[in-house]
Amino acid sequence: EPEVTQTPSHQVTQMGQEVILRCVPISNHLYFYWYRQILGQKVEFLVSFYNNEISEKSEIFDDQFSVERPDGSNFTLKIRSTKLEDSAMYFCASSRDNLNQPQHFGDGTRLSIL
Amino acid sequence: DAKTTQPPSMDCAEGRAANLPCNHSTISGNEYVYWYRQIHSQGPQYIIHGLKNNETNEMASLIITEDRKSSTLILPHATLRDTAVYYCIVRASTGNQFYFGTGTSLTVIP
Repeated sequence: EPEVTQTPSHQVTQMGQEVILRCVPISNHLYFYWYRQILGQKVEFLVSFYNNEISEKSEIFDDQFSVERPDGSNFTLKIRSTKLEDSAMYFCASSRDNLNQPQHFGDGTRLSIL
Repeated sequence: DAKTTQPPSMDCAEGRAANLPCNHSTISGNEYVYWYRQIHSQGPQYIIHGLKNNETNEMASLIITEDRKSSTLILPHATLRDTAVYYCIVRASTGNQFYFGTGTSLTVIP
């Protein structure tokens, strides 16, 4: 069964450094998402992406964050200047449409900011 | 914010059916009910979804009341590997994001 894959599984970065989290969505999916989960807290929506544009973003997704689909298979989340509070699990998801099809999630990247 | 209410925790004996309830009394006509689960800190795993009819797949059954104000996820024969946090989510067909609440922590007991 096709799945969403994320790399790396764990990323350790110094505060203030840039980090790029990578995702390969399911191949015939058209909608892409990033969520995060701070340890012990809820899964929170960050951003959705369709047709090479951001379609929706949350208050968390400020100017430090950006997303890109640099080629036909990858979907990336960049954090420009990381802060301690960016430490979290970051989940990528994809779906065939945004009508009623479910989103399928990867197993996440654990980001640790030192 | 999450529009659903779920009990914080439940236990179920291994091999028995696990029935997880969810209240969504303010659900709108175009909103679907989705169920996901999260094992440890893995990514949320899609289980099943429906609009108003009952649904069944290889993982579970979803029973939605006629007024659509509540639903029940049924795992017919729970195993230890079904121990997880289960999330009930409602989302409009035109929506992008899923709102994850705190879910129900299901523990399957040997």
